[in-house]
Amino acid sequence: EVQLVESGGGLVQPGRSLRLSCTTSGFTFADYAMNWVRQAPGRGLEWLSFIRTKAHGAAAQYAASVKGRFTISRDDSRSIAYLQMNSLKTEDTAVYHCVSSRDGYDLYFDSWGQGSLVTVSS
Amino acid sequence: DIVMTQSPDSLAVSLGERATINCKSSQSVLYNSNNKNYLAWYQQKPGQPPKLLIYWASTRESGVPDRFSGSGSGTDFTLTISSLQAEDVALYYCQQYYIAPITFGQGTRLEIK
Repeated sequence: EVQLVESGGGLVQPGRSLRLSCTTSGFTFADYAMNWVRQAPGRGLEWLSFIRTKAHGAAAQYAASVKGRFTISRDDSRSIAYLQMNSLKTEDTAVYHCVSSRDGYDLYFDSWGQGSLVTVSS
Repeated sequence: DIVMTQSPDSLAVSLGERATINCKSSQSVLYNSNNKNYLAWYQQKPGQPPKLLIYWASTRESGVPDRFSGSGSGTDFTLTISSLQAEDVALYYCQQYYIAPITFGQGTRLEIK
């Protein structure tokens, strides 16, 4: 069974940093692209970032709203994906979902974690 | 950026009746070299993460009931639930993965009439 479990969320002050982890199991992590998608309270889905497989150069891209502040990475040896979030803003408050893409390149989102709540507030 | 616009924003359908949700992209998501539409549909129930229903515009994900179907090409797409069941009450989102930034529609809320 595919499992994705996010951790590392919580309450943080504006301007501070947080790192989210996505611990996975049940699939060959190295063959999957990984993504982060967030959902602000009562709002829709916002894609933030993806990182492709090493076979595809581990290429990463970001939404404009987080580019330069957030960094995605992956540790294939531990089957974990990360999202380093710096210079956090109040508008970054949301549930952050880790999402897998089994295609490895074409990014439909086949499995989602339950999410980790990040609250940015002073 | 490709803007995805769903219609309607909310929809109430009687049990056993057909439900249709539309999704329009601001530019084509059809990749001519492989003739694939880079369009997916998701279902989100309260307190749960989204669940993949349809990808490549019309390919049903494993385990998804066959009352769910996707159609369309280019810029206009439709998710159809052929016979609405109580458990289908949810938010539905379309998503394009043709080009980054990956974008979602605003969501359509489906309820029972």
